[in-house]
Amino acid sequence: ETGVTQTPRHLVMGMTNKKSLKCEQHLGHNAMYWYKQSAKKPLELMFVYSLEERVENNSVPSRFSPECPNSSHLFLHLHTLQPEDSALYLCASSQERLAGGYEQYFGPGTRLTVT
Amino acid sequence: GENVEQHPSTLSVQEGDSAVIKCTYSDSASNYFPWYKQELGKRPQLIIDIRSNVGEKKDQRIAVTLNKTAKHFSLHITETQPEDSAVYFCAALPIRSQGNLIFGKGTKLSVKP
Repeated sequence: ETGVTQTPRHLVMGMTNKKSLKCEQHLGHNAMYWYKQSAKKPLELMFVYSLEERVENNSVPSRFSPECPNSSHLFLHLHTLQPEDSALYLCASSQERLAGGYEQYFGPGTRLTVT
Repeated sequence: GENVEQHPSTLSVQEGDSAVIKCTYSDSASNYFPWYKQELGKRPQLIIDIRSNVGEKKDQRIAVTLNKTAKHFSLHITETQPEDSAVYFCAALPIRSQGNLIFGKGTKLSVKP
């Protein structure tokens, strides 16, 4: 699969588990994003990395921890999650973020269920 | 903070009819307005976008109009087909957001054959 890939596609975890979501972009972009998509809510921006540096943290609880080891990879580390964290987690990438107005390419998402 | 309102939340039309989805934004300095389509179980994909120096843009059956004075923009789909059924999201790029899009809540469009 080309573009933006995410693994796993589905994840079920207990509240005491630790897991990680992975995102990889094959587009040569320099910005990557994590979004949370819940039912009947807008896409919620969680984190933004630009040139591997975190530039946005939208008041996300510390049980979510992002990591961007290079411009092509983005991780979201999860620990001690709550049932309300169940959602679709989407990764996206774009080019020239600060220039504004460039398409964000989304990955297929990870459907997370916290039991 | 910046806000994007999207209406309606659900829209049902007969095949062949037109569909219109409207969004309003709060930051008058916003300069980029994309529309994304998300089919069931799939990722959001850009279908059309417009910049603040343009009032209208068209791509086959899809068009977007922008009214900067009123701070609203609309998606128009003509001759709708069943495969147009999806959730559509509008978004705006406020100048002060440093490149971060603000999304509307989405509109679920159902096209009945």
